[in-house]
Amino acid sequence: QVQLVQSGAEVKKPGASVKVSCKASEYTFTTNYMHWVRQAPGQGLEWMGRINPNSGATTYTQKFQGRVIMTRDTSVNTFYMELSSVTSDDTAVYYCAAEGSGGWVLVYWGQGTLVTVSS
Amino acid sequence: DIQMTQSPSSLSASVGDRVTITCRASQSIRRYLNWYQQKPGKAPKLLIYTASSLQSGVPSRFSGDESGTDFTLTISSLQPEDFATYYCQQSYSTPWTFGQGTRVESK
Repeated sequence: QVQLVQSGAEVKKPGASVKVSCKASEYTFTTNYMHWVRQAPGQGLEWMGRINPNSGATTYTQKFQGRVIMTRDTSVNTFYMELSSVTSDDTAVYYCAAEGSGGWVLVYWGQGTLVTVSS
Repeated sequence: DIQMTQSPSSLSASVGDRVTITCRASQSIRRYLNWYQQKPGKAPKLLIYTASSLQSGVPSRFSGDESGTDFTLTISSLQPEDFATYYCQQSYSTPWTFGQGTRVESK
């Protein structure tokens, strides 16, 4: 059973960067994509992008182009999402989510990381 | 980007009721439509994938259907643990997009 364990809550000032980690266990690291999804307080789910664990190739939604970087470290089975120049609008719970073996669907989810942006 | 329009945004129902939630895609997504359940403070949980396939471990009272660009999630007999928010999501093309969510509340 794949388990995804994310890093703890963060508080950042406007303009700063935040980096969230997602450690994967029992995960076939070189196959299906890892995605990042966020949820602002009281709002719906928003897909941010994905990373190919094998090649490191990324796809980001246009909204975050230039501000988000998704990476992975295969040696420690960990994925990272870094968001720069944060504003109060970036206050949200950030989830990593992994596709299942068949792809095309987010089967495994991390527990979420609350990022609060406040001056 | 493909827009996913989910309706209703909320509904009130009683235990034992049949509940149907609809999701419409702005263009063809074939059957690349998934449904998730989310409870407060928890990560989403996959219920249905590729429009009508039941995820392992999910009760059979949940079902999905597709008609062109219209998709439905049905709960045949609502149980107390089903009060939650439900999201559809398309994985036909990037960026993957979610519906706005449907909150199922107790009447």
